[in-house]
Amino acid sequence: DAKTTQPPSMDCAEGRAANLPCNHSTISGNEYVYWYRQIHSQGPQYIIHGLKNNETNEMASLIITEDRKSSTLILPHATLRDTAVYYCIVRVHDNYGQNFVFGPGTRLSVLP
Amino acid sequence: DTGVSQDPRHKITKRGQNVTFRCDPISEHNRLYWYRQTLGQGPEFLTYFQNEAQLEKSRLLSDRFSAERPKGSFSTLEIQRTEQGDSAMYLCASSLSSGTSTDTQYFGPGTRLTVL
Repeated sequence: DAKTTQPPSMDCAEGRAANLPCNHSTISGNEYVYWYRQIHSQGPQYIIHGLKNNETNEMASLIITEDRKSSTLILPHATLRDTAVYYCIVRVHDNYGQNFVFGPGTRLSVLP
Repeated sequence: DTGVSQDPRHKITKRGQNVTFRCDPISEHNRLYWYRQTLGQGPEFLTYFQNEAQLEKSRLLSDRFSAERPKGSFSTLEIQRTEQGDSAMYLCASSLSSGTSTDTQYFGPGTRLTVL
């Protein structure tokens, strides 16, 4: 089972920031938080990941709470092309590799 | 484009036929994963290779399914005696495992299988 919970759907106005929450209250100390998104009929696209510090890249920012039990993905200026299902996943890094366990994700609709 | 590629993108077959899908990972990625995704669900893990070794298989991978990665580069996923329940998107992902990498998985576009 997925170790994260996300709202099933969210709307966001075009040009505004989209803030997507994720709860991972049972996260272990060595588990990273990953975010992917999937646009209709395409493969999942990597967005960002982090351990405990906030992270930013050209796509998004990831804010992880100090207790690491929740996080927020921020798309600073959402566009219509950001409409997609967003998945939050926790995963440990080790020498053996691990698959991702995907939940149902959050369906983000960016509205004009 | 040096991303993960999958072939074919779409496959329609009749129940009972065998099908084979191919995945070409990002060059020099040593790990390769197969996932299956049905409509409205997130991807589900099927199996995983490190180089040519198949290290893990999900309970979802019945004995009708077989995956290979013979030279540690491309991989094939074969489904024998297909059933209508096999209709899904089959996704491949690859990653680079090293002492400094974070083993982030990059996904291909998927192969959509329809079993009639």
